[in-house]
Amino acid sequence: DTAVSQTPKYLVTQMGNDKSIKCEQNLGHDTMYWYKQDSKKFLKIMFSYNNKELIINETVPNRFSPKSPDKAHLNLHINSLELGDSAVYFCASSHRSGTLDEQFFGPGTRLTVL
Amino acid sequence: KNQVEQSPQSLIILEGKNCTLQCNYTVSPFSNLRWYKQDTGRGPVSLTIMTFSENTKSNGRYTATLDADTKQSSLHITASQLSDSASYICVDNQAGTALIFGKGTTLSVSS
Repeated sequence: DTAVSQTPKYLVTQMGNDKSIKCEQNLGHDTMYWYKQDSKKFLKIMFSYNNKELIINETVPNRFSPKSPDKAHLNLHINSLELGDSAVYFCASSHRSGTLDEQFFGPGTRLTVL
Repeated sequence: KNQVEQSPQSLIILEGKNCTLQCNYTVSPFSNLRWYKQDTGRGPVSLTIMTFSENTKSNGRYTATLDADTKQSSLHITASQLSDSASYICVDNQAGTALIFGKGTTLSVSS
């Protein structure tokens, strides 16, 4: 009954490959997010979707493409992976996109690009 | 310079002791300030969310304080437990924009 789940937990791949990370939330939330946590531990927002519509798109290479088939899912597809893409990617969700809404994070996906 | 600065970078304390973690934020207008706990290999979990009009908020043994004039916040942990060992992240939420995360303070509680 995990609230926010991500798959896979670990992903090791070669440079140049295309990979996807899946995220699902069963909290009935309207807003979902993708964050990247690099080796320096900073968490940075990448994308935010509200009811399947993109509302935040920070400066992220267009090799990263989020896809939201429904409001319970927000998947992240990455094309032509680069060494610098190695990081932990966290999915999160909140009830609304309002500033006081608590965000619930998934367990993270550790991506290693060789 | 990051917009959210935390200190110390790391801290080791004995079980049962209290500790205080500091956060300075530089960006305004300010909407709310949050503290998260992140266990190793897990996603962050929210501890407190304070609006600029709140001075203090507690969650069990965790108490966060906020001084909007000096743009400082602190997280006080009382009677620490081994399970408190984690990274504690201060987050500034500006109005209408995404969360800005600090680098975190790594707390180690030893027996």
